[in-house]
Amino acid sequence: SQQGEEDPQALSIQEGENATMNCSYKTSINNLQWYRQNSGRGLVHLILIRSNEREKHSGRLRVTLDTSKKSSSLLITASRAADTASYFCATDARRRTGTPLVFGKGTRLSVIA
Amino acid sequence: EADIYQTPRYLVIGTGKKITLECSQTMGHDKMYWYQQDPGMELHLIHYSYGVNSTEKGDLSSESTVSRIRTEHFPLTLESARPSHTSQYLCASSGPGGTSPLHFGNGTRLTVT
Repeated sequence: SQQGEEDPQALSIQEGENATMNCSYKTSINNLQWYRQNSGRGLVHLILIRSNEREKHSGRLRVTLDTSKKSSSLLITASRAADTASYFCATDARRRTGTPLVFGKGTRLSVIA
Repeated sequence: EADIYQTPRYLVIGTGKKITLECSQTMGHDKMYWYQQDPGMELHLIHYSYGVNSTEKGDLSSESTVSRIRTEHFPLTLESARPSHTSQYLCASSGPGGTSPLHFGNGTRLTVT
């Protein structure tokens, strides 16, 4: 079964608005990562947040992590048409050392110019 | 963009054919992975390797096999392709440590007729 579940499945916003995507997971983790995938391409790493961190920023991206709720959110501020893509969270299960990342189902973001 | 390459980019073959999807990386990464992804859907881990002569099966049952004879090369072979194998196959690699991000290739989109 998938470790991560993104919410919403799809999101459509106007350029300039903020986009928030959520990710829930099931087991304890060492870290959580967010990736972006443009249509027909591979995934690109955006940001990593460790289990002992609560918030992290990178440019227009803000990631939060709540380990008590087993959830994370990705905020993209001042969105642009170029942000249109699918966004995936990925986790590693702490209980199994060296376990490969498990990806969620993704959120498809459409930013309308 | 990461230095990880997949060929071919697109492939259309008939049922029963044997095919090999190529994946190479020039980053010297020990860890390499194969994921299967239907369009717009989640990624499923099918094989991974943590070094030369080391391969493991992932969570998704697959009739494919992999080999890791050289660090930079991680080919995926389907002995007898079926229409159910129609999908996108993504190869990725990562560096040492538990927090290294995955670097993905652009994928091979396979269609089995």
